[in-house]
Amino acid sequence: ETGVTQSPTHLIKTRGQQVTLRCSSQSGHNTVSWYQQALGQGPQFIFQYYREEENGRGNFPPRFSGLQFPNYSSELNVNALELDDSALYLCASSSQGSGNTIYFGEGSWLTVV
Amino acid sequence: AQTVTQSQPEMSVQEAETVTLSCTYDTSESNYYLFWYKQPPSRQMILVIRQEAYKQQNATENRFSVNFQKAAKSFSLKISDSQLGDTAMYFCAFMKAAGGTSYGKLTFGQGTILTVHP
Repeated sequence: ETGVTQSPTHLIKTRGQQVTLRCSSQSGHNTVSWYQQALGQGPQFIFQYYREEENGRGNFPPRFSGLQFPNYSSELNVNALELDDSALYLCASSSQGSGNTIYFGEGSWLTVV
Repeated sequence: AQTVTQSQPEMSVQEAETVTLSCTYDTSESNYYLFWYKQPPSRQMILVIRQEAYKQQNATENRFSVNFQKAAKSFSLKISDSQLGDTAMYFCAFMKAAGGTSYGKLTFGQGTILTVHP
């Protein structure tokens, strides 16, 4: 148990739709990072939020967006879904002062049909 | 940009034996962290071991140890006395240590599927 919770665990969407994934970070952690993991691949960094501001972004288009709330929980939004967006989306929480301890949630499985 | 390469897509080992998973990386950074994560079928990413680049001593966590060769940019994981529960996908990951805002931005390798046979 890491204390990082993600919802929903599984969902199916239609191409062109929009989706919101949620993450509650480990208590005391002020940083949330999102990763996309396609089947059989390693996770790819999407972006990071630190104190409600985006703090770095990977090679993902603008239709991938996010938010971080005052309680440090976070949302990942994906617009205009494409079939290639089908993947496991992982949330990881950390604290800038914690000595690089990073905790992952169990992920949200997104299938786009 | 950093890259992490795991050249072994799949490995297998008999229970109680020892296995070594390979990882190489490329970076121009001098200060960084390296990690091995385990991802069982449940998909939960679990930290196995981590190494700070400025430390010459290889990290050890119970049955897990690393061979960190900074000059060669190599970071292998040795699992001793393999157990059935070690069956999982293993990822090598890199993180810059250049300032506080680098925490949490991991670059992963492609993974190695490890199967432990009874």
